[in-house]
Amino acid sequence: GAVVSQHPSRVICKSGTSVKIECRSLDFQATTMFWYRQFPKQSLMLMATSNEGSKATYEQGVEKDKFLINHASLTLSTLTVTSAHPEDSSFYICSASQGDGYTFGSGTRLTVV
Amino acid sequence: SQKIEQNSEALNIQEGKTATLTCNYTNYSPAYLQWYRQDPGRGPVFLLLIRENEKEKRKERLKVTFDTTLKQSLFHITASQPADSATYLCALGGDNQGGKLIFGQGTELSVKP
Repeated sequence: GAVVSQHPSRVICKSGTSVKIECRSLDFQATTMFWYRQFPKQSLMLMATSNEGSKATYEQGVEKDKFLINHASLTLSTLTVTSAHPEDSSFYICSASQGDGYTFGSGTRLTVV
Repeated sequence: SQKIEQNSEALNIQEGKTATLTCNYTNYSPAYLQWYRQDPGRGPVFLLLIRENEKEKRKERLKVTFDTTLKQSLFHITASQPADSATYLCALGGDNQGGKLIFGQGTELSVKP
């Protein structure tokens, strides 16, 4: 079946630094990928829609200059959290559509200290 | 605004029994509804999709119903097993939403042997 690979699975960074998260579709092409964040015991909140070859579409309240998304190929989308702060600590997950459902990456646990 | 509510309390059942999870929504007319399973620290895994013109869908021990009048979906796991213990998420989508999903907060299911 369709596989979405997400790396890294965990990252700890210092406040003020930037972190890049990669999301790859391994056996299919994904013109559109979605980025979510999830706080403990809460729902997945859509951050942005990543479109191959064009600018990402951000949800209301999500700072596009802070969460940089690049979708340069049909199999790779990246999310860069710039100048990370402790409040950015969360679980970030990407997904892509394949058939009826969506395939999700395994998530990235970001901790900013 | 759009709102999705799932069983807020964790659901504890005995092995072999049927687990029934509820997803209610307001201020939305989805074209389809999806159910996902999420294990701790992992991304969601797609289980079933049901469209607005479908009343019921089955897959092995899983059954989903969709009542667009009540704005409710029920998710059943028959002959439940301890391995079914996880958080289950419902998600709504529309054909004109660019593939975006709105997720409920999830219901934690625990199946005791």
